[in-house]
Amino acid sequence: EVQLLESGGELVQPGGSLKISCVVSGVTFRDYSMNWVRQAPGKGLEWVSFISDSSDAMYYSDSVKGRFTVSRDNAKNSLYLQMNSLRAEDTAVYYCATAFNYDGAYWGQGTLVTVSS
Amino acid sequence: EIVVTQSPVTLSVSPGERATLSCRASQSVSSNLAWYQQKPGQAPRLLIFGASTRATGIPARFSGSGSGTDFTLTISSLQSEDFAVYYCQQYNKRPYSFGQGTKLEIK
Repeated sequence: EVQLLESGGELVQPGGSLKISCVVSGVTFRDYSMNWVRQAPGKGLEWVSFISDSSDAMYYSDSVKGRFTVSRDNAKNSLYLQMNSLRAEDTAVYYCATAFNYDGAYWGQGTLVTVSS
Repeated sequence: EIVVTQSPVTLSVSPGERATLSCRASQSVSSNLAWYQQKPGQAPRLLIFGASTRATGIPARFSGSGSGTDFTLTISSLQSEDFAVYYCQQYNKRPYSFGQGTKLEIK
């Protein structure tokens, strides 16, 4: 069974930093490019970031470019999102998801990041 | 950036009837289009990818069609568990944009 488990979400003050994680099991993690997607309370889905399987390509949405950094550790089957200079509008549930391949894509259950004073 | 637009915003259908949801991209995304179902408090659930391929475990009453810019998700005979919000997503070109969602409600 494929499982993606996000963690690290918490309440953080505006301007603060936070690093969230995603551990993947049930697939060969190093074979998958990965995405972060977020959903603000009561809103739709927003793609945030992509990282290739070997970390040689990373991409970001305009809304987080320059503030967020995606990384991965294939030895630990783990994906990370370092979030700096956090704003109230970054408040959301953050999901990790595999990129699409021949059998579709897999999503985690999400971790809630709240930016508030 | 590719803008993805879903219609209608809300769709009211009776159980047992057919539901048809639409998704339009502002430029061609080939067949790189996915559909998700989301219920309150849950993560999105992948239904369809490649515009028409059902994901593992998805019932046959869900079907997807289209290519290029116009896509359709059809639910052939609505069950009580199908009432939810549905999103489409293009993954042809970054940023991988989502539609704003269609809420499927009981009539």
